[in-house]
Amino acid sequence: SQQGEEDPQALSIQEGENATMNCSYKTSINNLQWYRQNSGRGLVHLILIRSNEREKHSGRLRVTLDTSKKSSSLLITASRAADTASYFCATDPLTGGFKTIFGAGTRLFVKA
Amino acid sequence: GAGVSQSPSNKVTEKGKDVELRCDPISGHTALYWYRQSLGQGLEFLIYFQGNSAPDKSGLPSDRFSAERTGGSVSTLTIQRTQQEDSAVYLCASSQSTAKNIQYFGAGTRLSVL
Repeated sequence: SQQGEEDPQALSIQEGENATMNCSYKTSINNLQWYRQNSGRGLVHLILIRSNEREKHSGRLRVTLDTSKKSSSLLITASRAADTASYFCATDPLTGGFKTIFGAGTRLFVKA
Repeated sequence: GAGVSQSPSNKVTEKGKDVELRCDPISGHTALYWYRQSLGQGLEFLIYFQGNSAPDKSGLPSDRFSAERTGGSVSTLTIQRTQQEDSAVYLCASSQSTAKNIQYFGAGTRLSVL
């Protein structure tokens, strides 16, 4: 079964608003990453947070990790139309080899 | 190369034919992954290569799927006797080591089986 599950599945907001996406996972992890995908093509890495970290920032991105709840959130502040994309969380489980598990993604649409 | 390169970018084939998809990872990256993504879905892990170690094939959906990585660099994913349900985007990614580093993705191959 899938390790990571994002919610909401789809999100539509106005430019300038903040967008929050959540990810839940099932087993203990080494780290959790967020990726972005435009137009169903290659994914681009956004940010990695290790299991011993609780919060991380990168530009307009803020990621939190709660290992007790097995959940993470990605916040994009002051969104722009160019942020329109699908966002995926990906976890590296502690066990199970080197299989990075991707969630089904959140499709974000930012209206200009 | 500057990034992960996949070819072809699009492939249309007839049911029952074999197809080969190619991936050129970033130079120096020892880890290489193949994923499959159906329309509007997340990524499904297929296979993982790390250096000269035996690959992790646990994600391959059937014995019609196989992959090779020659010389620790270029990889080929082969699908034999293609079926319509094989239609998807096949993504390749590479990373620097087994330290579960950041994965760098190619643009993918969009496979359509008619």
